[in-house]
Amino acid sequence: NAGVMQNPRHLVRRRGQEARLRCSPMKGHSHVYWYRQLPEEGLKFMVYLQKENIIDESGMPKERFSAEFPKEGPSILRIQQVVRGDSAAYFCASSPQAVTYEQYFGPGTRLTVT
Amino acid sequence: GNSVTQMEGPVTLSEEAFLTINCTYTATGYPSLFWYVQYPGEGLQLLLKATKADDKGSNKGFEATYRKETTSFHLEKGSVQVSDSAVYFCALFLSRGQGGSEKLVFGKGTKLTVNP
Repeated sequence: NAGVMQNPRHLVRRRGQEARLRCSPMKGHSHVYWYRQLPEEGLKFMVYLQKENIIDESGMPKERFSAEFPKEGPSILRIQQVVRGDSAAYFCASSPQAVTYEQYFGPGTRLTVT
Repeated sequence: GNSVTQMEGPVTLSEEAFLTINCTYTATGYPSLFWYVQYPGEGLQLLLKATKADDKGSNKGFEATYRKETTSFHLEKGSVQVSDSAVYFCALFLSRGQGGSEKLVFGKGTKLTVNP
């Protein structure tokens, strides 16, 4: 059973470009969470999605950030017009429907904005 | 609000030493508690968990006991190995039914280095 997959593992963008981060949950998992880890910090919750629904986006910056989890395909975290402060590791986690506290993490995407 | 405080690192130990990493929490309800481990360049792996007071989580020689009276979940290991070098995160989870929002709340992490 493959784990949570994220790609790309490393992403370099210039200021003003768009960054797209992908997450494929574990097989059978219908809940996806995105977290951001800034240098020397713990992980901060960004958004919680189920298929075709955003359940909680209270941790998402109000501008430039969006997330989706379509009926088919991976979950996407999109950052428009990136700035240096967006440089971080972005982790995706997934959980089965019945046990949302059992969250399994992917390896992360390390975004560097130059 | 809900928060987790864990001891500041870094922590440096010799192989076979005893490890304690302190973790305390503040929560509006009765959370589930977790320890995650992050090896260099990797994502987080669940190390152990406890879902109610007095539960003890254990895995790979690590243990932590959910202490409701002191709102703590300290991580311990009797004899660390070089391969235990990693960053350790304490976290809590409150479901919507418990007044939370189905997300993990993490401490800042404690970096452990074990020397041979």
